[in-house]
Amino acid sequence: RKEVEQDPGPFNVPEGATVAFNCTYSNSASQSFFWYRQDCRKEPKLLMSVYSSGNEDGRFTAQLNRASQYISLLIRDSKLSDSATYLCVLKGGNFNKFYFGSGTKLNVKP
Amino acid sequence: NAGVMQNPRHLVRRRGQEARLRCSPMKGHSHVYWYRQLPEEGLKFMVYLQKENIIDESGMPKERFSAEFPKEGPSILRIQQVVRGDSAAYFCASSPPGLGETQYFGPGTRLLVL
Repeated sequence: RKEVEQDPGPFNVPEGATVAFNCTYSNSASQSFFWYRQDCRKEPKLLMSVYSSGNEDGRFTAQLNRASQYISLLIRDSKLSDSATYLCVLKGGNFNKFYFGSGTKLNVKP
Repeated sequence: NAGVMQNPRHLVRRRGQEARLRCSPMKGHSHVYWYRQLPEEGLKFMVYLQKENIIDESGMPKERFSAEFPKEGPSILRIQQVVRGDSAAYFCASSPPGLGETQYFGPGTRLLVL
């Protein structure tokens, strides 16, 4: 079983829509959680960290549910520029290293 | 504070040649990670290093690939006797020590093997 599982998508949504991604993880000892975005042919960039209490950054809201071992990302009022692949990342386990999901592709259409 | 730097950005090699990819972490970051990404695929972990130590190389192919992070200078990912299947984007990331710290990526090196 993979450490991190994501729906690959693509999610095709119109501008202004609200879209949510979920990600599940298998290692309950995972310590830290993050969402990254990756644009085509570019490096991944940190979008936000994810805290147990939930956190918000503008149009983006991240939630962590340790009991069910999943994290989520909600994007409100989608913009064309939100089109990218969103990577779920956790840190922990042996050596406290990073584990990446394979990404969820989002296409925001005009 | 400059970000993670990688060079070269693009590298073309013929089959059988050697490829050397360099990564300079952000200032104050002592942990370096290398990833490989094939077109239309996800990131694949290769190796995790700290200064002068390989912490986890479980993602490295057993042959032809090696990595180092010396006390002075950049981290190097070395691929000997390259084959066409080595063509990919190779990303380096760095992080400071600490359980909650995240990692930051360099722009990547795109290797093309002819």
